[in-house]
Amino acid sequence: DIQMTQSPSSLSASVGDRVTITCRASQGISNHLAWFQQKPGKAPKSLIYDVSSLQRGVPSKFSGSGSGTEFTLTISSLQPEDFATYYCQQYNNYPFTFGPGTKVDIK
Amino acid sequence: EVQLVESGGGLVKPGGSLRLSCAASGLTFSTAWMSWVRQAPGKGPEWVGRIKDKNQGETVEYAAPVKDRFTISRDDSRNTLYLQMNSLKTEDTAVYYCTTDRLWFDPWGQGTLVTVSS
Repeated sequence: DIQMTQSPSSLSASVGDRVTITCRASQGISNHLAWFQQKPGKAPKSLIYDVSSLQRGVPSKFSGSGSGTEFTLTISSLQPEDFATYYCQQYNNYPFTFGPGTKVDIK
Repeated sequence: EVQLVESGGGLVKPGGSLRLSCAASGLTFSTAWMSWVRQAPGKGPEWVGRIKDKNQGETVEYAAPVKDRFTISRDDSRNTLYLQMNSLKTEDTAVYYCTTDRLWFDPWGQGTLVTVSS
């Protein structure tokens, strides 16, 4: 199975900060990487697919980059509604696997 | 707008069975690939399995922890996805989500809670 890791596991940031989350895959996954945002008690929401393609309706402050085994999610200017847990996920190989999550909270 | 509504969750004893349903609307369900994803309390999401559409032979793939115990099926006439869960274990306790599988998962339903406990 492909193992996904994320760093940091949590971070504290202020409104307006630029935030970067890193996701690493244990082997190459081409461009088959997605990012999700999850708020407490809610279903995960898809933000980005194919490394850098924004889902419809997702604001452009979210961006994704990377290739091979290392990927990043960047939030350009953190807003109150962005405080949540973020997961990466690979869909290159069965079983599809998620990272352990990065919790972003208010400093 | 695509809407997915899961149902059928509840409390079941270890070794028991449960069938979850996912009613879909706002999409051409018969050509949609669908997946189930679960999330144990306080944990990250875990993919359970995928079913492709009839043109792809309704091929099903499962994650190892549920293979041979869970069965994914679909009824295109009812726009409904199913997850039959047998021989349930305490570690199957989770919120179960259905999701439209476009290779990536979007959107997701609201989830249904399955609790396996004696």
